[in-house]
Amino acid sequence: NAGVMQNPRHLVRRRGQEARLRCSPVKGHSHVYWYRQLPEEGLKFMVYLQKENIIDESGMPKERFSAEFPKEGPSILRIQQVVRGDSAAYFCASSLTGFLIEAFFGQGTRLTVV
Amino acid sequence: GIQVEQSPPDLILQEGANSTLRCNFSDSVNNLQWFHQNPWGQLINLFYIPSGTKQNGRLSATTVATERYSLLYISSSQTTDSGVYFCAVYTGTASKLTFGTGTRLQVTL
Repeated sequence: NAGVMQNPRHLVRRRGQEARLRCSPVKGHSHVYWYRQLPEEGLKFMVYLQKENIIDESGMPKERFSAEFPKEGPSILRIQQVVRGDSAAYFCASSLTGFLIEAFFGQGTRLTVV
Repeated sequence: GIQVEQSPPDLILQEGANSTLRCNFSDSVNNLQWFHQNPWGQLINLFYIPSGTKQNGRLSATTVATERYSLLYISSSQTTDSGVYFCAVYTGTASKLTFGTGTRLQVTL
């Protein structure tokens, strides 16, 4: 859905650098979800945020990964000291009231670590 | 957590053929969606169908919630239907949408 905007679409980082992925939800949506898709695999839940709060980060790796959804501005997924295994597509979804209603995903950011 | 299995894992069709994709889930769900991931990686919403039957052009879907499965029908397939089809479910007890294993479809001329 064009309403959820992710940027950049493609990101190349060298091992050890930081990656910042941005997600602008549909206007008025206060729930944001990040998912990761490793090559040839399905989408795996990472983190669920509402404005200024992390609600569920059970799918987030314990180290190097963090996410925020500030009062103003997009949600940010930050990966520090990237490694080759972080190469994946990262998708963001937003909703008005959680997943009880239809969810729409952005076009994803494809991260390549070289 | 809930388990979501899709079958078949891979499917090759000739253009014009029909197909049925299946999604089985292990617990009651409040939401079920079908997505098409095209060869460029974009996720396209096909159906929001926690129960019942819906149709959209050559595609239709049926969810039988009491028996914990959903079916996606593709009729008169076209090469543009190629890609991976995912079902995803939401149970209400967890905050996330859980994706199935996917069916990779290739439609040939």
